[in-house]
Amino acid sequence: QTVVTQEPSLTVSPGGTVTLTCTSSTGTVTSAYYPNWFQQKPGQAPRTLIYSTGNKHSWTPARFSGSLLGGKAALTLSGVQPEDEAEYYCLLFYGGDWVFGGGTKLIVL
Amino acid sequence: QVQLVQSGAEVKKPGASVTVSCKASGYTFTSYGIHWVRQAPGQTLEWMGWVNAGNGNTKYSQKFQGRVTITRDTSASAAYMELSSLRSEDTAVYYCARELHDSGNFDYWGQGTLVTVSS
Repeated sequence: QTVVTQEPSLTVSPGGTVTLTCTSSTGTVTSAYYPNWFQQKPGQAPRTLIYSTGNKHSWTPARFSGSLLGGKAALTLSGVQPEDEAEYYCLLFYGGDWVFGGGTKLIVL
Repeated sequence: QVQLVQSGAEVKKPGASVTVSCKASGYTFTSYGIHWVRQAPGQTLEWMGWVNAGNGNTKYSQKFQGRVTITRDTSASAAYMELSSLRSEDTAVYYCARELHDSGNFDYWGQGTLVTVSS
């Protein structure tokens, strides 16, 4: 069974920079996994921030960026705002199946 | 504007089936796929399956194979997810999400539908 792993929680100060990662139990994550990143706030549906590794939607704030880093998918927030406190999920493609990570709770403190 | 509007909350008894609908508007329905994702209380997101709204092809997570059926009705611009043999562990919020065909581009999500399984 494929497992996608994320940091359970991260804490960052307002204005700071933080990188969330997404690891596959099968090995190195590449662009062929079409990494997507989602933000979810309590009681809300997920919102897509990043698709296919590093592509942003029109609503994605410029401070969010996606990349591949050290064999993992990564989501970097630069200049963190208080409203960025949320749960973040990654999603990877496995040749027909999609698997979500366990989520990272980002605390802005 | 693009919208995915899901049907309302459901309460079901163990062993029953539930069907959740996802009505699309604001775009060409057949140019995208619709994925179904669920989230149990306090848990992560879980991918259930997908339908190609153009040709009706489907793919299901092995976990739900045999219990889930995803269909679409192009005349209604809607996708449906039926889950059978419900058990208490199926209590969750069910979401639909749109993906541009074979692009890995997830964009819009439905508002979610709470399904409660309780005797």
